Order: sequence, then structure tokens, then C-alpha cells
Amino acid sequence: AQSVTQLDSQVPVFEEAPVELRCNYSSSVSVYLFWYVQYPNQGLQLLLKYLSGSTLVKGINGFEAEFNKSQTSFHLRKPSVHISDTAEYFCAVSEFNNNDMRFGAGTRLTVKP
Amino acid sequence: DSGVTQTPKHLITATGQRVTLRCSPRSGDLSVYWYQQSLDQGLQFLIQYYNGEERAKGNILERFSAQQFPDLHSELNLSSLELGDSALYFCASSARDLHLSYEQYFGPGTRLTVT
Repeated sequence: AQSVTQLDSQVPVFEEAPVELRCNYSSSVSVYLFWYVQYPNQGLQLLLKYLSGSTLVKGINGFEAEFNKSQTSFHLRKPSVHISDTAEYFCAVSEFNNNDMRFGAGTRLTVKP
Repeated sequence: DSGVTQTPKHLITATGQRVTLRCSPRSGDLSVYWYQQSLDQGLQFLIQYYNGEERAKGNILERFSAQQFPDLHSELNLSSLELGDSALYFCASSARDLHLSYEQYFGPGTRLTVT
């Protein structure tokens, strides 16, 4: 079965600095990859997804992620973060024809003024 | 607002009891998914229903069960509750099966506290 590892449990960063949240996955078949954001006391919201095609995926709120098949990674990036980006970020993987979506443990992004 | 509603928002109950969590999917969505989020286990997929039928099963305990009704709302039943069942339970919905629509919309969650 597929699995996801988010390499950093917490990432503190200053406002307007760039950020990268790392995600690696494991699967023996083709996968679909997702990044979700969870603001305090709220449900998860989809940031972006990779299904096929271009390996660089652009999402909402200025985030983007790059699928790297050889390194089995799907890192999330933003060139300049805002205080409002402070939240928990989850990477998720779903195998082709498998409805069991696996989530990483989450990365808490804290943006400091 | 995702359009997915969950009730109740908070639930406090005692060990050994049984509770029912309710989820109404977005209008038109046929699939409902249940997830459990806890500090030690993270976010785990429990079960999926598609148009009234069980479609996929994840790490759902035998003490837990779910169903999806003809109006597409879903209920998650948790019985013989243990302290370790304390968690945030999310419902999500999607238009079709996950691998066809690829996007889930999450509700705000029900926080269950077992004392």
C-alpha cells in the first residue's frame, strides 16, 4: 500500500521569505498526489493536486508543487509567505484505482512577522 | 465554506457509550468519506460510501460502522467507546468515486471527547 512521509513536523519562517514543505511517498503503482491545508479549527482544504501531465502544479494562494518521480517526492513551495499562511499542511497520496487516500503526519507552518 | 456539514460540532461522552456522527455532503456529491484525526495516529481514512453502497474501507475498527442513506447523508456510528477514540472526525464528499473526481471537500469536523 502507498505511504507518505512529511519530512518536517514544524517549519518556522519569517514573513515574505520563501518556504518549502517536503513530502516523499512510496508506492509500487501510479499515484495521484495532493496537498491540503488545515487552518485552526477548520476542515482540510485542497491546495493543489497532481494527476498527470506537467510535473509543476500550481495551486491556490500562490502555492506550487513539483512532482519528481525518480525521487518519489512532491514538495510544496511558496516564494513569499504571509502571516495568513500559518496552518497545518498535509501531503496525501492515492493510488490509481484505489480509493484509500493516505495522508502524511502534517507540517505545521508558522509564519513570523 | 466547503458545503459539507457535520453535526454535532462537539460531543462529550463516557467510555462504553455509543454515538452517532452525521454528515451531509455537498449538493450533488455522491461519495462520502470518513476520516479520524488524532494526535498519535494523524489523519486516517476510515471508510467511503458511494451512492449508498460501501466503496472502500480503511483503518476502521469493528466497533465503528457507517451508512449512507437514500438522501446521500451519512452517519458514522461509534460504539463501546474507549478513551483512545477521542479525536476529530471529518467527513468529506466528492462528486463521484475518488479516482474519477480526485477532489474531496471536507466538512468542519466533529470533535469527540471520551471521558
